[in-house]
Amino acid sequence: EADIYQTPRYLVIGTGKKITLECSQTMGHDKMYWYQQDPGMELHLIHYSYGVNSTEKGDLSSESTVSRIRTEHFPLTLESARPSHTSQYLCASSELGSSNQPQHFGDGTRLSIL
Amino acid sequence: GQNIDQPTEMTATEGAIVQINCTYQTSGFNGLFWYQQHAGEAPTFLSYNVLDGLEEKGRFSSFLSRSKGYSYLLLKELQMKDSASYLCAVRGDGQNFVFGPGTRLSVLP
Repeated sequence: EADIYQTPRYLVIGTGKKITLECSQTMGHDKMYWYQQDPGMELHLIHYSYGVNSTEKGDLSSESTVSRIRTEHFPLTLESARPSHTSQYLCASSELGSSNQPQHFGDGTRLSIL
Repeated sequence: GQNIDQPTEMTATEGAIVQINCTYQTSGFNGLFWYQQHAGEAPTFLSYNVLDGLEEKGRFSSFLSRSKGYSYLLLKELQMKDSASYLCAVRGDGQNFVFGPGTRLSVLP
């Protein structure tokens, strides 16, 4: 049973559109993450947050932005989508300060930009 | 820099035992995690090691040697449903996770 939810699961949209990928978790986790993963490839961290009003850029440069106004919600926005943004985007959360706690992942959003 | 290495692909037979290796070089170490990811799905947590030694969880075991920067995931009594990618991840400085490229395991009948 998923405690972290991503919508939409799939999105096919044209170049230049503004897109927001939603992510919500009900576990009360402070730390949240966004990863980008191409098929058969490794996960790349693009954004993360330590809690409300905290946002940090990850290891992979991304043209997306994130916000964290509420603990449970961590949306990712692309202001003007391009074909190079086609990928799978995975949201995750974890407890802050507990090293033995794993990340919990959402089911992902598979994004295709035409 | 940070680097995690795993074999790209492995093949094994149903009922057999397979060992998936992971070597890592990271800035800081706060634990090593193994995840399973079926094609098109999200990664799911399998195991965690922070001290040297073996952790056993049913058919799955994971081993860590911090001095060697080495871990392995051992899968026993392989089943067809074990066909998936297995991701090694290290929690480093700042509590962020660094993921390896994943090992794609195919279990054959």
